[in-house]
Amino acid sequence: QKEVEQDPGPLSVPEGAIVSLNCTYSNSAFQYFMWYRQYSRKGPELLMYTYSSGNKEDGRFTAQVDKSSKYISLFIRDSQPSDSATYLCAMSVSNFGNEKLTFGTGTRLTIIP
Amino acid sequence: DSGVTQTPKHLITATGQRVTLRCSPRSGDLSVYWYQQSLDQGLQFLIQYYNGEERAKGNILERFSAQQFPDLHSELNLSSLELGDSALYFCASSVVAGGVTDTQYFGPGTRLTVL
Repeated sequence: QKEVEQDPGPLSVPEGAIVSLNCTYSNSAFQYFMWYRQYSRKGPELLMYTYSSGNKEDGRFTAQVDKSSKYISLFIRDSQPSDSATYLCAMSVSNFGNEKLTFGTGTRLTIIP
Repeated sequence: DSGVTQTPKHLITATGQRVTLRCSPRSGDLSVYWYQQSLDQGLQFLIQYYNGEERAKGNILERFSAQQFPDLHSELNLSSLELGDSALYFCASSVVAGGVTDTQYFGPGTRLTVL
């Protein structure tokens, strides 16, 4: 079993819908939770991160962490065609040491105009 | 455009061969990271260099090696290639060594196909 599980999709939703992307994990020591966005034929880019539990909002994006359930989510409100990309979750026990950064395999999202 | 360049874009080679992937970080960035991305394993951290010195090591195979040169560009050497090494290889850079939440700027990647 992988430390981080992510539904690969693909996920297709109409423009304007609320999108929910999720990851589950098994390592209870994870403290830092990140979401990356990767457009086709491009490298990933850090979208946002959350430390420990709780929510974090940035514009149309909300990251949510539920450590009791070992479950994290990324919500996208008022989805746009430009949000079409693969979304990767990533987690780490500490903020230092990239060797400890564990990624999910990504969810491919398509927003239909 | 992230400012990170990688060459070549595509590489097709045979099993048992050796290849070199090259990365030029953004101007001013001292830290370079290498990642491997495959469909079944996702994105995996390989190795990090900071100002010419190895800083962190991930799941990098012994057949793989990397270095960062005085001009800060980096090379990833893959030898005795196997079919399973076929993947996208990304280079990323950041200003300092940083932490996992610091912004890394990723290059466009090199797609390696081993036949």
